[in-house]
Amino acid sequence: NAGVTQTPKFRILKIGQSMTLQCTQDMNHNYMYWYRQDPGMGLKLIYYSVGAGITDKGEVPNGYNVSRSTTEDFPLRLELAAPSQTSVYFCASSYPPVARGRGQDGYTFGSGTRLTVV
Amino acid sequence: DQQVKQNSPSLSVQEGRISILNCDYTNSMFDYFLWYKKYPAEGPTFLISISSIKDKNEDGRFTVFLNKSAKHLSLHIVPSQPGDSAVYFCAASKEFKQLTFGSGTQLTVLP
Repeated sequence: NAGVTQTPKFRILKIGQSMTLQCTQDMNHNYMYWYRQDPGMGLKLIYYSVGAGITDKGEVPNGYNVSRSTTEDFPLRLELAAPSQTSVYFCASSYPPVARGRGQDGYTFGSGTRLTVV
Repeated sequence: DQQVKQNSPSLSVQEGRISILNCDYTNSMFDYFLWYKKYPAEGPTFLISISSIKDKNEDGRFTVFLNKSAKHLSLHIVPSQPGDSAVYFCAASKEFKQLTFGSGTQLTVLP
């Protein structure tokens, strides 16, 4: 059982380039999330999805786009990379929050993508 | 505006002693709280949670305490082990919505 898989693990982008961070999960979770972690800061929510075809903005969505065509995949797109997007990006998935307290707690995170924009 | 705050960036304790990690929150609407643990080059992993209707939850060596009047959450690890050395994130949510995370505390357990 792989859990949440993120690719690539590392990437260096030049300013203005674009890329897609891939995220896939094999736990049949409906909910998926993208977070970024900057040094000394907590995880900030970029976008989330409550099911295939449904996405919504989080706290810091500017400069990013997402899509959710299948339950398994939730790619994050950077269209015009900027130095401010240098960060570690984490994808996560979960059961619907109403499952809390029934042994289905918390998010399952991927191992992260370290992105540097130069 | 940080709604979940972990004011201690780092904490060092001796192996076998108690580790106490603290977390404060400002939003009184939060009704569910969690702790995550993160090793370098890995994603955070779920550790323990507590609902706002409780004031304590235990799981083995880990206990989370919630003081709603003080808007304060703490994680106790007893006894601490070197393998517990990691970054610990506090997180909170309201009405089944997305988690809001604190900035993390680096715990170092010294052998």
